[in-house]
Amino acid sequence: KQEVTQIPAALSVPEGENLVLNCSFTDSAIYNLQWFRQDPGKGLTSLLLIQSSQREQTSGRLNASLDKSSGRSTLYIAASQPGDSATYLCAVSSSGTYKYIFGTGTRLKVLA
Amino acid sequence: GAVVSQHPSWVICKSGTSVKIECRSLDFQATTMFWYRQFPKQSLMLMATSNEGSKATYEQGVEKDKFLINHASLTLSTLTVTSAHPEDSSFYICSAAGDYQETQYFGPGTRLLVL
Repeated sequence: KQEVTQIPAALSVPEGENLVLNCSFTDSAIYNLQWFRQDPGKGLTSLLLIQSSQREQTSGRLNASLDKSSGRSTLYIAASQPGDSATYLCAVSSSGTYKYIFGTGTRLKVLA
Repeated sequence: GAVVSQHPSWVICKSGTSVKIECRSLDFQATTMFWYRQFPKQSLMLMATSNEGSKATYEQGVEKDKFLINHASLTLSTLTVTSAHPEDSSFYICSAAGDYQETQYFGPGTRLLVL
C-alpha cells in the first residue's frame, strides 16, 4: 500500500531564503508525482507535475525533482516571499490505478 | 489547462438532510472522476473513483450507501451525502481525468458544515 510522507510538517522562514520541501513514498511504481499548493480554506493549485520518466520540472522559482528508485521528491523554492505562505502537498499517482495518494503536507510560513 | 468546477462551494445543512455536490469538467470529457475528503489540518483522502456510466468504486472504510456517487455523463459527477451528520462536515474535492487518466484536474472544493 502506497504511503506518502512529507517532511517537515511545518516550516517558518524569513523572506528571501531558499528552501526545500521533502516528499517520500514507499512504492516506487508510480505513474507521476504532483506538487500542489493549498491556501487556507481553499482548493488545490497544481504547481508541478513530474512524469515517472522525468527527473525534474521547473516553473519560475519552483523546481521539483524526482528520484523514483529512492522514493523521494523535493520541491525547491528560491527566494521565498510572504505570498508563498501556504500548505504544500505532494501526491503520487500509482501505475495502473491512477489514483492519487496525498502526502501529509508541509505548512510553510514566510515571514516579511 | 483543463477546468473543473464544483457547486456549491459552501453548504450548511441540518443533521439528517441530504446534500448533493456537483463536479463538472468544463472543457474536456472526463472518463474518470475522483472524490476526495479533507478534514481540518489533514491531507486529502480518496473516497471513491467513478467512471462514466458505471458504478463507483469506493475505498476501504467509505460507506457507499452514505456517499452516493453518480457519474451520468462525461462532464458531470455528483456526490450525495445522505442523512448527513455533524461528523460528515468536511472539505470535499473532486478531480477529473480524460481517457488516459494521465493527469487529474482538481476542482476548487466544497465545504460542508452539518449542524
